[in-house]
Amino acid sequence: GENVEQHPSTLSVQEGDSAVIKCTYSDSASNYFPWYKQELGKGPQLIIDIRSNVGEKKDQRIAVTLNKTAKHFSLHITETQPEDSAVYFCAAQSGGSYIPTFGRGTSLIVHP
Amino acid sequence: DAGVTQSPTHLIKTRGQHVTLRCSPISGHKSVSWYQQVLGQGPQFIFQYYEKEERGRGNFPDRFSARQFPNYSSELNVNALLLGDSALYLCASSKDSSGANVLTFGAGSRLTVL
Repeated sequence: GENVEQHPSTLSVQEGDSAVIKCTYSDSASNYFPWYKQELGKGPQLIIDIRSNVGEKKDQRIAVTLNKTAKHFSLHITETQPEDSAVYFCAAQSGGSYIPTFGRGTSLIVHP
Repeated sequence: DAGVTQSPTHLIKTRGQHVTLRCSPISGHKSVSWYQQVLGQGPQFIFQYYEKEERGRGNFPDRFSARQFPNYSSELNVNALLLGDSALYLCASSKDSSGANVLTFGAGSRLTVL
């Protein structure tokens, strides 16, 4: 089955800095890569996703890149703000499975 | 429009007891999935239901079971609770069971087993 590794487990930045979270996956059949943000006491919320026919996708301060050859994808957050503080999860999903496999999460702390 | 709603939000049980968790999907969503999230880890897939039929099952023991009702709401049942079952149980809904649909998660039911 699919295996997703996520790094780092904790990321501490100053407000205004950029943050990068990296994930690798094992199943070459995976073709959908969502990113979720989980705030304390809440369920994961989708913030951005990318499909395998695209190399990069942006949405305001958030961007995701995908390298299918190397089987890794990354989340980039620019101009971080304190409200970006949360746990971020990457996931990989095969078209035949319909079930995403999640990474272990990255706790992002943005200091004012 | 209401999101995915789960109940109860918190509950405490003792070892050996049984628990039932409930989930109401977003209106118009016909697929419900259940995940277990242990502290410090990502969600682990338990079940997926679509149109009242089980479409997928994760690597969990038979003590875990679920069902989906005609109104697309769902229940997750866990029998003979163990300390290791303590976790946040998440329900997610999607329009159907295809990989093209994104998941919308509820806030979860936090289960503590003593």
